[in-house]
Amino acid sequence: AQSVTQLDSHVSVSEGTPVLLRCNYSSSYSPSLFWYVQHPNKGLQLLLKYTSAATLVKGINGFEAEFKKSETSFHLTKPSAHMSDAAEYFCVVRGYNAGNNRKLIWGLGTSLAVNP
Amino acid sequence: NAGVTQTPKFQVLKTGQSMTLQCAQDMNHEYMSWYRQDPGMGLRLIHYSVGAGITDQGEVPNGYNVSRSTTEDFPLRLLSAAPSQTSVYFCATSYYRGKGSEAFFGQGTRLTVV
Repeated sequence: AQSVTQLDSHVSVSEGTPVLLRCNYSSSYSPSLFWYVQHPNKGLQLLLKYTSAATLVKGINGFEAEFKKSETSFHLTKPSAHMSDAAEYFCVVRGYNAGNNRKLIWGLGTSLAVNP
Repeated sequence: NAGVTQTPKFQVLKTGQSMTLQCAQDMNHEYMSWYRQDPGMGLRLIHYSVGAGITDQGEVPNGYNVSRSTTEDFPLRLLSAAPSQTSVYFCATSYYRGKGSEAFFGQGTRLTVV
């Protein structure tokens, strides 16, 4: 079975400082991993995805994430936070197994606040 | 290319009323799903479909019905609305096969049951 844990429900950073949003996953098989962002009262937008190619994945708006199999982690980072990054971020896993279970498993989200 | 279109965007219902949330996609995706989003609970899967004529239950199916008569449409029906169904609902679609298939979302329906 697959699961995903976002280790922080809320993260607060100052504008211009690095962002780190942590995500651990559990999957019996080689997973696909995604980060989505949701701005207030908006829909969900894909930031980036990992599908067993390069372990360092670059996404939109300067975000990137590194897949670490040994640590079962897929943390999201950005070198310098911008005020517009304030949003809810979701880590998502999709497993791949013989039964071809295609459901997405969602973390509970991390709320990112960016202070001026 | 419209992507995933959800209607309505906002709805207020009285307890006991029924309604249908519409979801339409023009990306020829086999997989369609409905989620509800509540504060502190992330997204929870209500129902999903892997193709026309095939539907299955997710985590929180009670009080909701779905059908999939075409590839494009996947309506969600609330049979008898309850205040506990006050939530934001999202329709999502993706390719079913292909490991890296990400989900595409509609803009959401904010439903209030009074």
